[in-house]
Amino acid sequence: EVQLVQSGAEVKKPGESLKISCKGSGYSFTSYWIGWVRQMPGKGLEWMGIIYPGDSDTRYSPSFQGQVTISADKSISTAYLQWSSLKASDTAMYYCARHLSPPGASPFDPWGQGTLVTVSS
Amino acid sequence: DIVMTQSPDSLAVSLGERATINCKSSQSVLYSSNNKNYLAWYQQKPGQPPKLLIYWASTRESGVPDRFSGSGSGTDFTLTISSLQAEDVAVYYCQQYYSTPRMYTFGQGTKLEIK
Repeated sequence: EVQLVQSGAEVKKPGESLKISCKGSGYSFTSYWIGWVRQMPGKGLEWMGIIYPGDSDTRYSPSFQGQVTISADKSISTAYLQWSSLKASDTAMYYCARHLSPPGASPFDPWGQGTLVTVSS
Repeated sequence: DIVMTQSPDSLAVSLGERATINCKSSQSVLYSSNNKNYLAWYQQKPGQPPKLLIYWASTRESGVPDRFSGSGSGTDFTLTISSLQAEDVAVYYCQQYYSTPRMYTFGQGTKLEIK
């Protein structure tokens, strides 16, 4: 079964750093792009960026460029989303999702279960 | 960026009736070389991640009930639920996956409720 399993919920203070993870299983991790999506409380889905674990080619939405870093460790089939200095406005649910089919553009399925990040002083 | 605009923002439909959600892109998402529309529809229920329903504008994902259908081409698309069931209450999003370099924007979402 193809699965993406994300790390657990986090509670952090403003200014702290954070790295959340998304582990793929049941498929060739290096062959499919993995994207990250933000959903702020009660709001819609926002595309953040995407990585190809095979060569770590990474693209960012202009809205998130410089605000987060997307990376991957293909040796452990895991993608990451990290912040160097969190703000209260980073409070949201974050989802990872895999392209339905390689190698070109395609929709996203499956999705991870989501990681809730809460930033509060 | 390609901007995706859905209408309406919310919709209330009686059980067994038809529900129609529209999605308009700021530029065409039809790729002329393969004649495919790079447009997907997702369903999100409270507390769950989004679920892929329709891709290539009209291809139903495996396991999705046939009351869900997608249509449209170029810049204008529609998701139709032919006979609304209680379990269809959710927020529905369209997404384009046409843009390079892989900026796959979503519509703002349409909340579907029972009347």
